[in-house]
Amino acid sequence: KAGVTQTPRYLIKTRGQQVTLSCSPISGHRSVSWYQQTPGQGLQFLFEYFSETQRNKGNFPGRFSGRQFSNSRSEMNVSTLELGDSALYLCASSLAFVSGESYEQYFGPGTRLTVT
Amino acid sequence: SQKIEQNSEALNIQEGKTATLTCNYTNYSPAYLQWYRQDPGRGPVFLLLIRENEKEKRKERLKVTFDTTLKQSLFHITASQPADSATYLCALSRRGYSTLTFGKGTMLLVSP
Repeated sequence: KAGVTQTPRYLIKTRGQQVTLSCSPISGHRSVSWYQQTPGQGLQFLFEYFSETQRNKGNFPGRFSGRQFSNSRSEMNVSTLELGDSALYLCASSLAFVSGESYEQYFGPGTRLTVT
Repeated sequence: SQKIEQNSEALNIQEGKTATLTCNYTNYSPAYLQWYRQDPGRGPVFLLLIRENEKEKRKERLKVTFDTTLKQSLFHITASQPADSATYLCALSRRGYSTLTFGKGTMLLVSP
């Protein structure tokens, strides 16, 4: 089975611009989560999508948004980029969350975003 | 606020020894605890999941314990190898929620 793929792998943007990152989950996985990883804060949860609906959202400003398509592929968007948005953005997919069970997450390689 | 603490200092051990990593948490009642491995420039890789009603779980050379009274998990790698060198992250989730809250990780360095 192919793993989680993320595009692009590297991105350089300037302050004030906006960016869209893409994630393709493992086939059959309907849950997609996004995380931001920085040296200072570690891995922080951005949001989770399941069946095209945002199910959970982390503590990030409204400049961060996302969506999920009917084929489970997901995109996240950051508008009005700030220097502090420079980070590794990771996407993870997992099996549908049912019956109160938690499943392991499978991460993609990430998109390294640099804001100058 | 909830807090997950992992030793921020790198753990240096010799090949063949057992590595023990610690994950402590406060203001949190997790139903599940997971351990991940992360290599530089790569996404985390799932290793083990343990539930609140389980005391111990094993997988090959890996062993994880979960003490909800002490609010602590221990992660052991026996017969460690240089290839085990990586950052290890613990992650918690509540019952009914799939969202993971991660610790900042501990770097393990295994020397030959």
